[in-house]
Amino acid sequence: SQQGEEDPQALSIQEGENATMNCSYKTSINNLQWYRQNSGRGLVHLILIRSNEREKHSGRLRVTLDTSKKSSSLLITASRAADTASYFCATDGNAGNMLTFGGGTRLMVKP
Amino acid sequence: DGGITQSPKYLFRKEGQNVTLSCEQNLNHDAMYWYRQDPGQGLRLIYYSQIVNDFQKGDIAEGYSVSREKKESFPLTVTSAQKNPTAFYLCASSIGQARGEQHFGDGTRLSIL
Repeated sequence: SQQGEEDPQALSIQEGENATMNCSYKTSINNLQWYRQNSGRGLVHLILIRSNEREKHSGRLRVTLDTSKKSSSLLITASRAADTASYFCATDGNAGNMLTFGGGTRLMVKP
Repeated sequence: DGGITQSPKYLFRKEGQNVTLSCEQNLNHDAMYWYRQDPGQGLRLIYYSQIVNDFQKGDIAEGYSVSREKKESFPLTVTSAQKNPTAFYLCASSIGQARGEQHFGDGTRLSIL
């Protein structure tokens, strides 16, 4: 089974609203990453948060990490139509420290 | 501009045929990876290579083969033994360990004729 699982699977909001996506994982990790994928394209790295960090910001993105609950959240503030994409979390808790990706949250931002 | 180039963008495979997907990077990264993505799903690791002339199986290596003769290139062959090859294939690279940031190509969509 996948190490990371995103919730919700799909999210539809209006432009200007905030979008929150959650990721849960099963084993201890060194870091957790969030990626974005536009339809039919490759993944683009958004942010990496280390296991000893609790919160990280990058522009309109805010990521939190709670290692006690084995969960992370990605908040996109003041969303735009261009934010429409799938968002994946990736963790490195498996053998060999390979990244394991969750199933993703499909975000639609309506103009 | 530095990046990862995958080709072709679309590929069709006939029964019993092997096909090879190309992945080239000019980022001077040591590590390269191949992932498979099925519709509405996350990524699953097929093969990875952390150094030239060395590669390791990932979670779903059966029916696939790779080579790493040059640092810049990591081609993936989908063999006839892979009975369900229809998927979106993504190549990625990273500077060092896999746990760091990975850079992705724009994928190859493989379908069966």
